[in-house]
Amino acid sequence: GNSVTQMEGPVTLSEEAFLTINCTYTATGYPSLFWYVQYPGEGLQLLLKATKADDKGSNKGFEATYRKETTSFHLEKGSVQVSDSAVYFCALSSGGNNRLAFGKGNQVVVIP
Amino acid sequence: DAGVTQSPTHLIKTRGQQVTLRCSPKSGHDTVSWYQQALGQGPQFIFQYYEEEERQRGNFPDRFSGHQFPNYSSELNVNALLLGDSALYLCASSFQGQGIFNQPQHFGDGTRLSIL
Repeated sequence: GNSVTQMEGPVTLSEEAFLTINCTYTATGYPSLFWYVQYPGEGLQLLLKATKADDKGSNKGFEATYRKETTSFHLEKGSVQVSDSAVYFCALSSGGNNRLAFGKGNQVVVIP
Repeated sequence: DAGVTQSPTHLIKTRGQQVTLRCSPKSGHDTVSWYQQALGQGPQFIFQYYEEEERQRGNFPDRFSGHQFPNYSSELNVNALLLGDSALYLCASSFQGQGIFNQPQHFGDGTRLSIL
């Protein structure tokens, strides 16, 4: 079945630091990959997506590249801000069913 | 343009009761999916409705049921509530007409259900 694995534990870093959140996946067929962000008390917002191998999704300074050879979709941002503090979820859908499988999420805390 | 709206925002129930949660999809969307998000976890897929029928179902018991109406809005019903049903219930909508699959899903802010 489909599954997504995110690195363990919260991520705490200083403003303007470089952020990386690792995501690897297992899927049948050719999945579409997504990063969602969840701010406190809110639902999930789509941050970026990639639908085929070597695609790079980008939005608001965040980037992630669909790596089929390593089954990964790591999220990166070059210079984080306090407003980037949130929980980040990696997700996939495959088989044309629009059913998302999520990782456990990573809490990101950016300190001024 | 209204996004996905869910009601109520919060709900408190006791064990054994029944609950109904409601969702209105984003304008132009025809597919509604429901997810359960336990505290500190990622959302888990419950089921998906398209053309007023349940099209897919995750690993949830029959106590969880749903409905989709002709205007694409949807309800999630949970019977015989257990303490473990306490969670944030998220509704997501997407457009699946004309065979367009794997489209990004738009989420509502969720209903926080607490079981006492």
